[in-house]
Amino acid sequence: GAVVSQHPSRVICKSGTSVKIECRSLDFQATTMFWYRQFPKQSLMLMATSNEGSKATYEQGVEKDKFLINHASLTLSTLTVTSAHPEDSSFYICSATYRVGTDTQYFGPGTRLTVL
Amino acid sequence: QKEVEQNSGPLSVPEGAIASLNCTYSDRGSQSFFWYRQYSGKSPELIMFIYSNGDKEDGRFTAQLNKASQYVSLLIRDSQPSDSATYLCAVLTNSGYALNFGKGTSLLVTP
Repeated sequence: GAVVSQHPSRVICKSGTSVKIECRSLDFQATTMFWYRQFPKQSLMLMATSNEGSKATYEQGVEKDKFLINHASLTLSTLTVTSAHPEDSSFYICSATYRVGTDTQYFGPGTRLTVL
Repeated sequence: QKEVEQNSGPLSVPEGAIASLNCTYSDRGSQSFFWYRQYSGKSPELIMFIYSNGDKEDGRFTAQLNKASQYVSLLIRDSQPSDSATYLCAVLTNSGYALNFGKGTSLLVTP
């Protein structure tokens, strides 16, 4: 149980385009989903937290107009990187909490974004 | 910013030995602690969590928590080459749901 998927696993795009990444909880309803970014040799940095049906909460320094998050259902959250630039190239990972009242996060496999 | 500190390593241990990974945290009010394993190019996978002072064992893994000293450790017994990965320590923030990650310790188990 507690399987989280992400799509796509890898994407290469041109500078200025937008990229959408999907995060799905496959066998459970996720009360909360999280989006992280990880640069090479660095740890995971939380970008935003999203709850189904409400606006995402962004971490300090993360531009909400650039990284659009939509949590349309209890099993799906999307992250759209708008007008991507090479500095946005990174490993984007989502996670989800399994049950209300627990804090254990289960991670998706990640999406490798390369902006040319 | 509340800090979670880990030695980046690499920590090299021979196969069959005990690997000891350490983590310190700055927020004295932290209550929940997690160890994740991350292979290169992959996302983290949960190894175990610990909430109470003392030891918690799960198979070859033992997590140790000392809230007074603000450190949490992970012991891996009978280390295998497949255990070679980066181990991330994570602490639940006072938001109650977001995790603050350390930079990870790279472990290399040599045959």
